[in-house]
Amino acid sequence: DGGITQSPKYLFRKEGQNVTLSCEQNLNHDAMYWYRQDPGQGLRLIYYSQIVNDFQKGDIAEGYSVSREKKESFPLTVTSAQKNPTAFYLCASTPRDSYEQYFGPGTRLTVT
Amino acid sequence: GEDVEQSLFLSVREGDSSVINCTYTDSSSTYLYWYKQEPGAGLQLLTYIFSNMDMKQDQRLTVLLNKKDKHLSLRIADTQTGDSAIYFCAETTDTGRRALTFGSGTRLQVQP
Repeated sequence: DGGITQSPKYLFRKEGQNVTLSCEQNLNHDAMYWYRQDPGQGLRLIYYSQIVNDFQKGDIAEGYSVSREKKESFPLTVTSAQKNPTAFYLCASTPRDSYEQYFGPGTRLTVT
Repeated sequence: GEDVEQSLFLSVREGDSSVINCTYTDSSSTYLYWYKQEPGAGLQLLTYIFSNMDMKQDQRLTVLLNKKDKHLSLRIADTQTGDSAIYFCAETTDTGRRALTFGSGTRLQVQP
């Protein structure tokens, strides 16, 4: 069953703790993306990766970090430096030479 | 900079047609997209159109693009209660990163 999986669906953390959100895809897509969604707003780009072992900052990268050690996986770490981490986080992927972007189900992170 | 705008809310009766509108500012936009988001879920790619096209039809969905006015619309024929969701317009330019810029979403409410 092909697709993009994100886990967990809901995540709760205390302020000051780092937390890592998982994103896995078995679609053999080359590019992967992390977006953040706040209530009543569109999605904003955090980080993206076009190939393994390479990634680039998006529009709101401060307080986040990523890695891309495997083609299938693109985990996002929300660090304690992120001022407003509570949000809905969405992972996406795109095949090579395509502009079709597909999304995972999202992880809702709540930091108190 | 890039900007994508949508109206916040649309209410229609079941069986009517829905038209959701979007305007964008980047004249170098290459692809324009429509996504659907149901509560608590990720984004579902409905359709997308290349900027050299005026129209694209896919079953109940019709996308119209007026490149001169930078206006994109999504028409849903015979709207059903299952179409109730938030609809996002998005665009990308051919910058290589293929990341999307999103509008804030239009909430479509379908009344029985």
